[in-house]
Amino acid sequence: AQTVTQSQPEMSVQEAETVTLSCTYDTSESDYYLFWYKQPPSRQMILVIRQEAYKQQNATENRFSVNFQKAAKSFSLKISDSQLGDAAMYFCAYRLLGTDKLIFGTGTRLQVFP
Amino acid sequence: DGGITQSPKYLFRKEGQNVTLSCEQNLNHDAMYWYRQDPGQGLRLIYYSHIVNDFQKGDIAEGYSVSREKKESFPLTVTSAQKNPTAFYLCASSSLGATSYGYTFGSGTRLTVV
Repeated sequence: AQTVTQSQPEMSVQEAETVTLSCTYDTSESDYYLFWYKQPPSRQMILVIRQEAYKQQNATENRFSVNFQKAAKSFSLKISDSQLGDAAMYFCAYRLLGTDKLIFGTGTRLQVFP
Repeated sequence: DGGITQSPKYLFRKEGQNVTLSCEQNLNHDAMYWYRQDPGQGLRLIYYSHIVNDFQKGDIAEGYSVSREKKESFPLTVTSAQKNPTAFYLCASSSLGATSYGYTFGSGTRLTVV
């Protein structure tokens, strides 16, 4: 069975600095998708970034980028120029190609200090 | 605007009562899901449905029931058999033909047993 592990329950970063959130996953499949979701205090889940496993190039969305290491089954999220609005829970998720089930990690709470 | 609407935002239940959480989407998505969120445990799948009048149990279905009489609606009933129902409940939907995309989430319902 596929699993997703986020080993950092909490992280903190100074405003304008860079922070990296870790995620590892376990799968025997080769075609899948990986996602990072943000859950701010409003509790609304927001898709931050996604990565197709068959693409070697790391996905980037403005200040958010990923470091996807397929062989190591690692999918970390880097937030550059951190802003106060980035403070939230961040969830890593896995979705096998051809299926609809999304498997989530336990989340990392990010605090941003001014 | 298309989206998912969950209601109510807050719900209080007395011991032994059944309560129903509403989830409506106007995205024309085929699939709908219910997740439970507890601190430190991430999101756990309760039930999901791919088509009207059909649904499957997720990882923690005991004490819950659902129906899918309309494509747009997927209500969740928390029954008295659910021993620890206090949690945050998230509804989501997705297009089955768009595996590369994640889910669209509602804003959640916070259920508290009093």
